[in-house]
Amino acid sequence: AQSVSQHNHHVILSEAASLELGCNYSYGGTVNLFWYVQYPGQHLQLLLKYFSGDPLVKGIKGFEAEFIKSKFSFNLRKPSVQWSDTAEYFCAAQRSTGGATNKLIFGTGTLLAVQP
Amino acid sequence: KAGVTQTPRYLIKTRGQQVTLSCSPISGHRSVSWYQQTPGQGLQFLFEYFSETQRNKGNFPGRFSGRQFSNSRSEMNVSTLELGDSALYLCASSPDVETQYFGPGTRLLVL
Repeated sequence: AQSVSQHNHHVILSEAASLELGCNYSYGGTVNLFWYVQYPGQHLQLLLKYFSGDPLVKGIKGFEAEFIKSKFSFNLRKPSVQWSDTAEYFCAAQRSTGGATNKLIFGTGTLLAVQP
Repeated sequence: KAGVTQTPRYLIKTRGQQVTLSCSPISGHRSVSWYQQTPGQGLQFLFEYFSETQRNKGNFPGRFSGRQFSNSRSEMNVSTLELGDSALYLCASSPDVETQYFGPGTRLLVL
C-alpha cells in the first residue's frame, strides 16, 4: 500500500538550531515528492518539491530536502531555524505516471515549535 | 493571480443533515482535488476532478460526492452527516498533474 511516514511528531528547537525532519515513502513506481508547511491559522503552502533531476532541492525560506532513492527518503533540512518557522510540516508523495492523477498521500505531519 | 478560494469558511450542521462546500480554483487550473484533515487521521484524499470528470477517488463512503463545473469550480457534498465528518475540508487546484495549491479550507462542525 502507498504510504508516507514522518518519524518525528513533535520537535522543539531553539532559534539558530539546525533542523532535520525525516520522511520515508512506500510507493510502487516513481514518485514526485513534496514538503508543505501549515503556519498557525494559515493554509497549506508548498515549501519545495522533487520531480526529477538533482536530488538536492532548495525551497523557500532557506529550506532544502534531499531525495535518497535507495532509502526511500526525502528529509527536510534547514541550517538555522527562526521563531517564525514554528508550524506543522507535511511530507507528501504523488505517483509520477505521466498525467494520471494529482492524488497526494500525506504523512501525519511534524509539529515544530521554535523557542526564541 | 488570486489563490484558491473556498466557501463557506466555517459551517455548523447537525447529524443527518447534508452540506455542500464550494471551491474556486486558481484561474486556468483545470484540476481540483479535495482532502479531509482531522487530528486523528491527518490529511486524506477524497477525490479529484479534471475537466468536469472525476479522475480519482479516495476511500470514503458514498455519502461523500463531488462535481466540477465547466468553469472548473468544484463542489463537494456530504449527505447524512455524522459526528466523525467534523473536519477541515481542503481544496487544492493544479494546472494538470503538477504542484497543487491549497485553499484556506472549510471547517465543518457536526453536532
